[in-house]
Amino acid sequence: EIVMTQSPATLSVSPGERATLSCRASQSVSSNYLAWYQQKPGQAPRLLIYGASTRATGIPARFSGSGSGTEFTLTISSLQSEDSAVYYCQHYTDWPLTFGGGTKVEI
Amino acid sequence: QVQLVESGGGVVQPGRSLRLSCAASGFTFSSNAVHWVRQAPGKGLEWVAVISYDGRNKFYGDSVKGRFTISRDNSKNTLYLQMNSLTPEDTAVYYCVVGAANYFDNWGQGTLVTVSS
Repeated sequence: EIVMTQSPATLSVSPGERATLSCRASQSVSSNYLAWYQQKPGQAPRLLIYGASTRATGIPARFSGSGSGTEFTLTISSLQSEDSAVYYCQHYTDWPLTFGGGTKVEI
Repeated sequence: QVQLVESGGGVVQPGRSLRLSCAASGFTFSSNAVHWVRQAPGKGLEWVAVISYDGRNKFYGDSVKGRFTISRDNSKNTLYLQMNSLTPEDTAVYYCVVGAANYFDNWGQGTLVTVSS
């Protein structure tokens, strides 16, 4: 099983600042099969990024993903108040699929 | 648009069983693998199980293997999760999810399962 570790657990930032979220895999994620999700309280998660760096439909350009192998990053270039949420990474290389523990972004 | 509507959640005693359903619409259900993902109260996301488009292939997370069974009825556009030998650790919101390649761009609203005596 690939263990996904996210850091930091909580990130406090001001509007307009850049946020950098980290996701580390316990073994290499082949073909960059890595996705990022945003979850707001009381809502289902929303897909932001897949393939490590491809934005999902309708996702603003301020969200970007990068990385390969075992190290991945989600960057929010200019935080807006509506970006306050918990962010999860997920690999989809093989079974079982696993998620990171999440990073809570506070604005 | 894609709609996934879960049902069947509720309060159940430890050791008992429960079956969840997910009614799908807005896409070709019979052509897509479908998953269950759960989230315990105040906790993160946990992948539970997947079933292939034709029902022939199924995979499970370690925490539910041998207790949960995923199935589907393509004639009814419905996904199921049979949960046996439930424990309090199975208390969670259960989401029905579908995506292009084992990442998830469509989620249901979730159904809450509470395992408690």
